[in-house]
Amino acid sequence: DAGVTQSPTHLIKTRGQQVTLRCSPKSGHDTVSWYQQALGQGPQFIFQYYEEEERQRGNFPDRFSGHQFPNYSSELNVNALLLGDSALYLCASSPKEYRGNQPQHFGDGTRLSIL
Amino acid sequence: GENVEQHPSTLSVQEGDSAVIKCTYSDSASNYFPWYKQELGKRPQLIIDIRSNVGEKKDQRIAVTLNKTAKHFSLHITETQPEDSAVYFCAANSPAFSTNFVFGPGTRLSVLP
Repeated sequence: DAGVTQSPTHLIKTRGQQVTLRCSPKSGHDTVSWYQQALGQGPQFIFQYYEEEERQRGNFPDRFSGHQFPNYSSELNVNALLLGDSALYLCASSPKEYRGNQPQHFGDGTRLSIL
Repeated sequence: GENVEQHPSTLSVQEGDSAVIKCTYSDSASNYFPWYKQELGKRPQLIIDIRSNVGEKKDQRIAVTLNKTAKHFSLHITETQPEDSAVYFCAANSPAFSTNFVFGPGTRLSVLP
């Protein structure tokens, strides 16, 4: 039973570029959440996708956008990259009918470095 | 929205001793509190969780206590081992605002041999 998988594992970009990160949820899960984890900090919620729509969003600018596909996999897109976007980006999936009172299962993350 | 504070930020204990990490939350509607362990370069992994209808939960050497009145919850690790060394994050949901978690800033636990 595959867990949450993310790709790529590492990525290096320069300021102003655009990036796409990918996530496949754990088998049986249909809800995907994205978090940004800066060095030495806890994960910060970016947004959550359910039924191919953005269900909720944290305090992140519109440069951060996403998508969910019919197979529940998801993408995170970041435009006009800034140095401050350097972080570990974590994807977490949740089971069907998730109501916020169950665990979220995390992937290994994508380490994004902006030069 | 929810705000979660966590203390201490770093904690060093001798192998075999106990470790306690404390968190406070602000949203009285929060009803689910997971704890995650993150080893260097690895994903956060759920180690224990508690719902607001219980005051304590135990799983072998790990226990979590919850005080709803004071809005704080704590992680207790007994008989610590070197492999317990990691960063620990507490989190709380915020059901009135979202189905996601607000995480604390983390506690770096070092278990000294």
